Amino acid sequence: GQQVMQIPQYQHVQEGEDFTTYCNSSTTLSNIQWYKQRPGGHPVFLIQLVKSGEVKKQKRLTFQFGEAKKNSSLHITATQTTDVGTYFCAGSRGAGSYQLTFGKGTKLSVIP
Amino acid sequence: SQTIHQWPATLVQPVGSPLSLECTVEGTSNPNLYWYRQAAGRGLQLLFYSVGIGQISSEVPQNLSASRPQDRQFILSSKKLLLSDSGFYLCAWERGTEAFFGQGTRLTVV
Repeated sequence: GQQVMQIPQYQHVQEGEDFTTYCNSSTTLSNIQWYKQRPGGHPVFLIQLVKSGEVKKQKRLTFQFGEAKKNSSLHITATQTTDVGTYFCAGSRGAGSYQLTFGKGTKLSVIP
Repeated sequence: SQTIHQWPATLVQPVGSPLSLECTVEGTSNPNLYWYRQAAGRGLQLLFYSVGIGQISSEVPQNLSASRPQDRQFILSSKKLLLSDSGFYLCAWERGTEAFFGQGTRLTVV
């Protein structure tokens, strides 16, 4: 079955440092989504990438979708304590596909 | 607007007792519904998904079952809980572009 690997599992950064998490799929994806889960909360949708090589930005967050549509990354510039949480990527193989497969997530800790 | 309700928020159950977690969605019809489990410090594990009433697919063999008696109702059950069933259970629905999660149920089996 489809597998989505995400690294690193944990990341501790000093406030102001940058952070990147990587997502890799065993199969070509139709789209990839990113979610953030604050401690004690539930995952919340951040963004979806659909096109090969697509890059999207949300303030200090930059999302990329690989040319082969099998990998993706989330980069946060100048982390803040509000960025703390677990970031998940989730891959879909097709429009309306019910196989939305999540990576294991990267837990980000920001040291003030 | 669409909303998803999941209850209870927390639950402490003894080993061997039954389980029933309920999830309902409002504001949409024929949603794809999911049950995920998140063990402490771990990622999201897909347990069940459903594309319609009475249609349940299981991703992993386990001590749990799911049912979808109505279009917008998804139930996670167990006849006899195990210690290893402890975790954070999340219900979600998706519409092809993004998934919406319920608030989750934190289950502790003692």
